[in-house]
Amino acid sequence: GAGVSQSPSNKVTEKGKDVELRCDPISGHTALYWYRQSLGQGLEFLIYFQGNSAPDKSGLPSDRFSAERTGGSVSTLTIQRTQQEDSAVYLCASSLQGWNTEAFFGQGTRLTVV
Amino acid sequence: ELKVEQNPLFLSMQEGKNYTIYCNYSTTSDRLYWYRQDPGKSLESLFVLLSNGAVKQEGRLMASLDTKARLSTLHITAAVHDLSATYFCAGSNTDKLIFGTGTRLQVFP
Repeated sequence: GAGVSQSPSNKVTEKGKDVELRCDPISGHTALYWYRQSLGQGLEFLIYFQGNSAPDKSGLPSDRFSAERTGGSVSTLTIQRTQQEDSAVYLCASSLQGWNTEAFFGQGTRLTVV
Repeated sequence: ELKVEQNPLFLSMQEGKNYTIYCNYSTTSDRLYWYRQDPGKSLESLFVLLSNGAVKQEGRLMASLDTKARLSTLHITAAVHDLSATYFCAGSNTDKLIFGTGTRLQVFP
């Protein structure tokens, strides 16, 4: 597609349930990032994929969070046993070659844990 | 580790006025980005600043970079209501892309 696509756009889940968030990056972009934005806050780095290299997982807040990127394209962010503090907008971005190339963001997934 | 700070966090300004948003970063950053975010929307890339002294302009917005001072500025000239949004700066080094806290700009008549 023309831009970064995320699904679903909105997700309401019960506390304790698992959720999966999907990101389709721009075709040809080797780098993919996940960020979290809580209400009225800045962007918190979660994880970074670059080509076939091992992902940088240093921003994942707990072991309930995991992400994978299959075939160097689509990525899935999984949150297990969701908690209310996980409620936020999860943003995905991709760039052509990595941190030093411009990142383009998707529309985000608004996650609400009730 | 790279840290990015913006100020002010909130800016309310009258149409037609000028103002500057400041972005300081703590260590060497390979480049500096400015993004705009409208309420409920994602981030839109505004500027990419690559080197010391770089200046870029788009309409009423002008961004500059001083790598020696580790400072980038986003200058708003003759503000209009359409500029109301949250503006983020972000720096990168070989580690990761780090965002500032954002500046929420509100332009009123």
